[in-house]
Amino acid sequence: EAQLVESGGGLVQPGGSLRLSCAASGFTFSSYWMSWVRQAPGKGLEWVANIKEDGSEKYYVDSVKGRFTISRDNAKNSLYLQMNSLRAEDTAVYYCARVSEKYGGALDYWGQGILVTVSS
Amino acid sequence: DIVMTQSPDSLAVSLGERATINCKSSQSVLYSSNNKNYLAWYQQKPGQPPKLLIYWASTRESGVPDRFSGSGSGTDFTLTISSLQAEDVAVYYCQQYYNTAMYTFGQGTKLEIK
Repeated sequence: EAQLVESGGGLVQPGGSLRLSCAASGFTFSSYWMSWVRQAPGKGLEWVANIKEDGSEKYYVDSVKGRFTISRDNAKNSLYLQMNSLRAEDTAVYYCARVSEKYGGALDYWGQGILVTVSS
Repeated sequence: DIVMTQSPDSLAVSLGERATINCKSSQSVLYSSNNKNYLAWYQQKPGQPPKLLIYWASTRESGVPDRFSGSGSGTDFTLTISSLQAEDVAVYYCQQYYNTAMYTFGQGTKLEIK
């Protein structure tokens, strides 16, 4: 069964940087689009970014454009989110999720999430 | 951007009764070439990641109890739980995946036991 495990979260000061990783197993990682979704404390879900199977297409929510970069290493079965110029409003649990081609793009597997706290 | 609006924000239903959650998109998520609605429903319990319940607006994910059903087309969708069980207490989200470049979720509906 597919499994996704996020790492790299923690406490960072405003203006700082952090790199999240997501280790994938149990499926052919290179055959799937992948997503990052976040959830601020006590709030709803917010899609952050998508990346195509080969990394050739990347899309972002407006609030992170120019600050966050999604990337992947198919040889390592890993997804990344480089977060720069972090703001307090970026504080959230960040989930990586698999985009199901079979279902047209619904997110069929999710990691447990990793907390990012932006605070001085 | 496609804006997803759920109603109500919260809902209290007695055990064994029907629960209905609505989701409206600001533009159609029906793809005319395949006649499919690019709309999913997720369930999130406290401290857990979201779980996919329904895709294509009305297809249950494998393992999801048949008391969960999705309906609707175009811009108006509904998630129905036919007979509420205690384990169904959760927050439910709709999501459009019509636009790969910009996924959006509804704000969530919190479902509780009356």
